Amino acid sequence: AQSVTQLGSHVSVSEGALVLLRCNYSSSVPPYLFWYVQYPNQGLQLLLKYTSAATLVKGINGFEAEFKKSETSFHLTKPSAHMSDAAEYFCAVSVVGSGNTGKLIFGQGTTLQVKP
Amino acid sequence: GAGVSQSPRYKVAKRGQDVALRCDPISGHVSLFWYQQALGQGPEFLTYFQNEAQLDKSGLPSDRFFAERPEGSVSTLKIQRTQQEDSAVYLCASSPRVAGGVRGTGELFFGEGSRLTVL
Repeated sequence: AQSVTQLGSHVSVSEGALVLLRCNYSSSVPPYLFWYVQYPNQGLQLLLKYTSAATLVKGINGFEAEFKKSETSFHLTKPSAHMSDAAEYFCAVSVVGSGNTGKLIFGQGTTLQVKP
Repeated sequence: GAGVSQSPRYKVAKRGQDVALRCDPISGHVSLFWYQQALGQGPEFLTYFQNEAQLDKSGLPSDRFFAERPEGSVSTLKIQRTQQEDSAVYLCASSPRVAGGVRGTGELFFGEGSRLTVL
């Protein structure tokens, strides 16, 4: 069975500091992987996705993530945090074999706090 | 509006009441999904429609949950005889692609959700 684990339910960084949000997955076959962001009182928005092309994926708002098969990881990074990055971030994997790439398994989420 | 619209945004129900949650997807989107997000958790898949056809309802937690999309656009999620454990945010998402298409992007456009509280 597939699963997604996000390490750290809360991450706090200073403005301008590196952002690192961790995601590990479990899948018997190469998965499709996603990062979504949820700002307060808004719907989830796709940040970036990995679909077996380049292992380093660039997304919106300066975020990027690297797919590492050997580590079964898909960590999200941003070189310099901005106050507007404060939000909840979800890592997700498509359910393999479902024939439905929109059927996702989400991690529990990581709340990013950015301090001035 | 251009986005996915859900109503009501907030619903308080007494245990045992029936509730109906509405989703207006982005116009022309073929695929529509419902997810349930409990407090402090990530969203969990409930059901999937391709146009008017409900192709996957494997995530519906019980037969008290029912979803429909009769004309392939607006969808309604109905919960009968609500229980306290049904309290959650119900998220609707749509996609312009048929799920499972070649290199399906998996990009879903989410609404803001309907927060259901069952007392």
